[in-house]
Amino acid sequence: EVQLVESGGGLVQPGGSLRLSCAASGFTVISNYMSWVRQVPGKGLEWVSIIYSGGSTYYADSVKGRFTISRDNSKNTVYLQMNSLRADDTAMYYCARTYYSRNWHFDSWGQGTRVTVSS
Amino acid sequence: QSVLTQPPSVSAAPGQKVTISCSGSNSIIGHNYVSWYQHLPGTAPKLLIYDNNKRPSGIPDRFSGSKSGTSATLGITGLQTGDEADYYCGTWDSSLSAPWVFGGGTKLTVL
Repeated sequence: EVQLVESGGGLVQPGGSLRLSCAASGFTVISNYMSWVRQVPGKGLEWVSIIYSGGSTYYADSVKGRFTISRDNSKNTVYLQMNSLRADDTAMYYCARTYYSRNWHFDSWGQGTRVTVSS
Repeated sequence: QSVLTQPPSVSAAPGQKVTISCSGSNSIIGHNYVSWYQHLPGTAPKLLIYDNNKRPSGIPDRFSGSKSGTSATLGITGLQTGDEADYYCGTWDSSLSAPWVFGGGTKLTVL
């Protein structure tokens, strides 16, 4: 059974850093594309970042230069390192396995981890 | 505001049918495949439709997807109270500030 479990969220001050983790089971992250998607309170879903099976990474402009996606194949875990956090990064962050057929689609999701950026 | 436009809300009675539209430009929806997601805030979103009209295993055939030109549509028949959720379309667009975009979401209320 495919399962994704996020952790690492919490309360952080503006300008601070946080590392989110997404532990996968039932499949290997190295063989799949993996994404982070967030939802600001009261708003819709927003794609944040993706790491391809080959290791290439891509980011939304809103986080480029501040967030870094990576993975640890030995732990079958994907990470999102978030630096220079701002109030508008406050959101629920979801990890999603991203499958490519004719286009990306997010076929499995975690329950999310909440990030609050506030002084 | 998303480049994929969805109605903010739709509603229908149990047992009825509802459609949710997702419109965009030719460069977005017109040239790319669309997927649809069901989301109850605070829970894991669920993939309902991918590649315009394909259902993952386990998704009942009450859910359907279609695309024509620059618009995609999610259809739900035989509405159940458990279908009450937010629904999002999404697709690829390499010309934007993010290669993937979601629609603004549609709140489905089952009356």
